[in-house]
Amino acid sequence: GAVVSQHPSWVICKSGTSVKIECRSLDFQATTMFWYRQFPKQSLMLMATSNEGSKATYEQGVEKDKFLINHASLTLSTLTVTSAHPEDSSFYICSASILQGVSGKAFFGQGTRLTVV
Amino acid sequence: GDSVTQMEGPVTLSEEAFLTINCTYTATGYPSLFWYVQYPGEGLQLLLKATKADDKGSNKGFEATYRKETTSFHLEKGSVQVSDSAVYFCALIQGAQKLVFGQGTRLTINP
Repeated sequence: GAVVSQHPSWVICKSGTSVKIECRSLDFQATTMFWYRQFPKQSLMLMATSNEGSKATYEQGVEKDKFLINHASLTLSTLTVTSAHPEDSSFYICSASILQGVSGKAFFGQGTRLTVV
Repeated sequence: GDSVTQMEGPVTLSEEAFLTINCTYTATGYPSLFWYVQYPGEGLQLLLKATKADDKGSNKGFEATYRKETTSFHLEKGSVQVSDSAVYFCALIQGAQKLVFGQGTRLTINP
């Protein structure tokens, strides 16, 4: 079945530095990928929709200059947390959706736990 | 817009108890419905899904039936185990679009 690989699975960085998270679709082409953020003991909140070859679409309240998304190919989307601060510490998950017949199906990366110290 | 409402947790049960976690949705069109499970410290795993009305998804003893008339997709298991302790998310998707998640229900099973 379709696989989405996310890297790294965890990262610790110093405040003020930038962190890049990669999301790859391994055996299918994903024209659209989604980036979610999960705060402790809360649900997943959609941050942005990553579109191959065009600008990402950000959800209300998400700073596009802070969370840079690049979808340069049909199999890779990256999320860069710029000038990270402790409040950016969270669990970030990417997903890609495909159509199977008339229904949709989503595949998730393993998630990246970011800790900013 | 589309939305998913889940039974609020946390839910605490004894081993071998019957489990129901309620999930209702609001959507235009005909979404596919999912239950995802998140074990402590891990990412999301698909537990089961249903793509059309009256479909029943099942996996690992869990079941959920797509009820269009009540816009529901309740998760059930006849006899829970300690290893079922996790957070459960109900979600829907329209076509190849974004997943819309419920708020999650934390389940704890005591031996």
